[in-house]
Amino acid sequence: EDKVVQSPLSLVVHEGDTVTLNCSYEVTNFRSLLWYKQEKKAPTFLFMLTSSGIEKKSGRLSSILDKKELFSILNITATQTGDSAVYLCAVVNAGGTSYGKLTFGQGTILTVHP
Amino acid sequence: DAGITQSPRHKVTETGTPVTLRCHQTENHRYMYWYRQDPGHGLRLIHYSYGVKDTDKGEVSDGYSVSRSKTEDFLLTLESATSSQTSVYFCAISMTVSNQPQHFGDGTRLSIL
Repeated sequence: EDKVVQSPLSLVVHEGDTVTLNCSYEVTNFRSLLWYKQEKKAPTFLFMLTSSGIEKKSGRLSSILDKKELFSILNITATQTGDSAVYLCAVVNAGGTSYGKLTFGQGTILTVHP
Repeated sequence: DAGITQSPRHKVTETGTPVTLRCHQTENHRYMYWYRQDPGHGLRLIHYSYGVKDTDKGEVSDGYSVSRSKTEDFLLTLESATSSQTSVYFCAISMTVSNQPQHFGDGTRLSIL
């Protein structure tokens, strides 16, 4: 059974801090890892990672994947109150009857105080 | 935003009644998914569709059925709702099964009393 574990489960910081969110996974046939941000409604897509060691970057957010150690991190620098959200990690299975299916972690609740 | 509309957005109903949730997309994406989101469990896949009339089960499919008679619509039915099915339900779509990310609708909050 595929498994995704995120840590920490919650995090409280002040504006301007840098945070690192962790995602470790076990999947029978790994295809890719995705990060989403969820505020009050729909999860919104941030990054898709398929190759180890290649950093993806979007503004103050960046992410990297380590396929040998089976984890990914999401970094947010110079945090703002608008970064407050639940951050979800998911892995895509590439094999057999689970092909294409996403397995999500529980999410990390990030709260940024002014 | 991806063109995904879920309806209704909120629903309260009683145990034992049938409930149908609708997901409508304007993106012409082949793949559609239904998830439920519960505290402590994250998002879990209920059913998915890989084309018109082609559907398959996810990890929590018991008590749910789906239908897809048109590319743009994917229906989730609770045949006889139970309190354990109180949840937030999300629909997602994707262009390909693994090379493109899934994009989510705004969710339906369902309460079963």
